Amino acid sequence: EAQVTQNPRYLITVTGKKLTVTCSQNMNHEYMSWYRQDPGLGLRQIYYSMNVEVTDKGDVPEGYKVSRKEKRNFPLILESPSPNQTSLYFCASSLSPWTSEGTQYFGPGTRLLVL
Amino acid sequence: GEDVEQSLFLSVREGDSSVINCTYTDSSSTYLYWYKQEPGAGLQLLTYIFSNMDMKQDQRLTVLLNKKDKHLSLRIADTQTGDSAIYFCAGERRGSTLGRLYFGRGTQLTVWP
Repeated sequence: EAQVTQNPRYLITVTGKKLTVTCSQNMNHEYMSWYRQDPGLGLRQIYYSMNVEVTDKGDVPEGYKVSRKEKRNFPLILESPSPNQTSLYFCASSLSPWTSEGTQYFGPGTRLLVL
Repeated sequence: GEDVEQSLFLSVREGDSSVINCTYTDSSSTYLYWYKQEPGAGLQLLTYIFSNMDMKQDQRLTVLLNKKDKHLSLRIADTQTGDSAIYFCAGERRGSTLGRLYFGRGTQLTVWP
């Protein structure tokens, strides 16, 4: 079954404690991205990756890092989380960066609370 | 300012038509999309329209695009309780920032039995 998985699904942490949210896809997709969703703001792109070792900033990259060492995995790293990073995070992948040329599959989301 | 604007809430009775509206500012958007998000789930692409089209129909869904006014709408015919969800309008920028999607805030559709 084609899917995007994220772990953990829920996480409560404290300010400054480094954390990683993993994302994995089993569709051999080249394009992957991370979004955060906040009430009343819709989704905003954090980082995206066109392929292995190719990543670039989205609209709200501050406070986040990513890596793409393997095609299937695209972890999101918060080196020093702060309360304003409390949000719902979605990972997504697609065959092409052009959504019209290939459906973008979204993971189930990771709800993060930073105290 | 906002790239995409949507009204936040819409309530309809089961069996009626729903119309969700969206206005966008980026005239370079080549494709415009509608996504559906059910409670506790990720986003699901419903349909999209190319910017040189006025209308696209896909079963119960009709997308209308008015490029002059930069207005996009999604009509759901015979709305069912299972259509209750948040609907996001999104545009796609092409060019140096490849394939970047920008989303509206989402419209919460509630369908009453």
